[in-house]
Amino acid sequence: DGGITQSPKYLFRKEGQNVTLSCEQNLNHDAMYWYRQDPGQGLRLIYYSQIVNDFQKGDIAEGYSVSREKKESFPLTVTSAQKNPTAFYLCASRQSTDTQYFGPGTRLTVL
Amino acid sequence: QKEVEQNSGPLSVPEGAIASLNCTYSDRVSQSFFWYRQYSGKSPELIMSIYSNGDKEDGRFTAQLNKASQYVSLLIRDSQPSDSATYLCAVATSGTYKYIFGTGTRLKVLA
Repeated sequence: DGGITQSPKYLFRKEGQNVTLSCEQNLNHDAMYWYRQDPGQGLRLIYYSQIVNDFQKGDIAEGYSVSREKKESFPLTVTSAQKNPTAFYLCASRQSTDTQYFGPGTRLTVL
Repeated sequence: QKEVEQNSGPLSVPEGAIASLNCTYSDRVSQSFFWYRQYSGKSPELIMSIYSNGDKEDGRFTAQLNKASQYVSLLIRDSQPSDSATYLCAVATSGTYKYIFGTGTRLKVLA
């Protein structure tokens, strides 16, 4: 099956802890994205990557880091510098026709 | 600041009626427009994309684009209770790889 997978589905973080969210796609898409969604708000762009070994900051990159070592993978690390990380995190990838497709999401909660 | 505006709702329509969802955007050079449906606790799924002025129909869904007035709308005919969800409007400018999302309109179809 082709698609985008995110893991884990639920993640709990303690104060001062770094956590990494996984995103994998087998759609052969070049571009990948990370968004954050808070209740009652739209999607806000954290980071995006157009090609392997290259990525750009989005609108709310502070406290987050990414890597893009493989075309299929775009992991997101939520660092301790992110003071309010509780949110729904969505990974997406994009085909050449501009259309983005989303993974199932990871819900992160700070304990 | 480039923006995409949607009425947050909820928009309530009776089963079988036409639901009309609207979205306005501020960036005149926007070229790609998307409607996503998001059920509570789930990730967004693509319903329609539209790139040219006019109407585009897909089953019970019709997207309408008016670039001169900078709005895009989604009509859902014969609305069903299963259509109850939040509908996100997204706008992209060709070549930028960035998408701007509205905050979504919550639709409730009453049985």
